Amino acid sequence: GQNIDQPTEMTATEGAIVQINCTYQTSGFNGLFWYQQHAGEAPTFLSYNVLDGLEEKGRFSSFLSRSKGYSYLLLKELQMKDSASYLCAVRGPDRGSTLGRLYFGRGTQLTVWP
Amino acid sequence: ETGVTQTPRHLVMGMTNKKSLKCEQHLGHNAMYWYKQSAKKPLELMFVYSLEERVENNSVPSRFSPECPNSSHLFLHLHTLQPEDSALYLCASSQASGELSYNEQFFGPGTRLTVL
Repeated sequence: GQNIDQPTEMTATEGAIVQINCTYQTSGFNGLFWYQQHAGEAPTFLSYNVLDGLEEKGRFSSFLSRSKGYSYLLLKELQMKDSASYLCAVRGPDRGSTLGRLYFGRGTQLTVWP
Repeated sequence: ETGVTQTPRHLVMGMTNKKSLKCEQHLGHNAMYWYKQSAKKPLELMFVYSLEERVENNSVPSRFSPECPNSSHLFLHLHTLQPEDSALYLCASSQASGELSYNEQFFGPGTRLTVL
């Protein structure tokens, strides 16, 4: 079976740093994605990790440890607009020319206070 | 704007109605997906079409019927739904590639469905 676990809610203040953790247990691994979803809007792609280590993209960074089945999304210099749900998703193995499907966590609702 | 559009954005229907959700992608992708998003639950994959052929159906009830007439359009036909089917239905697309790349899925804004 597939199990993706992340905290349900987190809060932080403007200008702070927040780390959203994701642990996974899946049969097969072909990369991990983070998506951001504002209320009533489409999820939008933030980051992708397939090798161990840290990927940095502006204020956002994502880390992966495949041996530990663990990832985190780090948000720096938080802004009010960062209030959203953050979805962790693991891609399963590809089947021929068909990309592996994504298994999503329940999402972490981040609230940024002024 | 992600390049994936969905209509309608909101839909209220009775249990005996028949309706269809439409998705269109303008990204030149060759794979399209239907997801269901219910409150407090993970995104659930319903259907996958790759190169216009359905490759996955995650044991979705037959009252949901997908159609993919070409690589840019995807429909979800709804018939005799139940109140528990009320949810946000998201469409996504991606580009399948043999190269190591993101191949991330691009999501539409969703259709908020309420079944009375």
